[in-house]
Amino acid sequence: LAKTTQPISMDSYEGQEVNITCSHNNIATNDYITWYQQFPSQGPRFIIQGYKTKVTNEVASLFIPADRKSSTLSLPRVSLSDTAVYYCLVGDRETGRRALTFGSGTRLQVQP
Amino acid sequence: EPEVTQTPSHQVTQMGQEVILRCVPISNHLYFYWYRQILGQKVEFLVSFYNNEISEKSEIFDDQFSVERPDGSNFTLKIRSTKLEDSAMYFCASSERQEQFFGPGTRLTVL
Repeated sequence: LAKTTQPISMDSYEGQEVNITCSHNNIATNDYITWYQQFPSQGPRFIIQGYKTKVTNEVASLFIPADRKSSTLSLPRVSLSDTAVYYCLVGDRETGRRALTFGSGTRLQVQP
Repeated sequence: EPEVTQTPSHQVTQMGQEVILRCVPISNHLYFYWYRQILGQKVEFLVSFYNNEISEKSEIFDDQFSVERPDGSNFTLKIRSTKLEDSAMYFCASSERQEQFFGPGTRLTVL
């Protein structure tokens, strides 16, 4: 599994855009990048997955440069309810079919 | 929207006692998982289950742990003789293909 590195914590204010970057220098050709979100006292929740360029859904956008050695999760106009831990995972596309290895994640604190 | 459910939400037990944590995965899912998270630490994989057998397990999942899918809906985790260090949040997850859907967790407190 490719090792990932992401900031331990980030602070933001309501209404701002938040970008969380994850480094994965040893990503393999077949690997996808997947982000999960975990609210306090809840289980993780899938947010978004991508392979290259840009992916957008109703929750977030994922930007992946051409070399794929990093990726950036972008949360537009965060609210207090976006306070959570965000995990970057790298592996095959069907993450539902294998054990997930969570790192320490990035703890995002959104202030009013 | 379908969801994974877990019972109980909180279980308190004495060291050495057996506990069974229960999960009802999403009905058409084929892959089932247990994870745990000790307070303030990472989410750790315990075991995965597919086609009525364990498909993968971590070093944490030793002989004290077992899993079972006793019927078409439930998926259970049994800890035979609990230790203080088993105190954690236990999450069940199920999946079909791309993403894992996690339950709300059972907080296990071993005294």
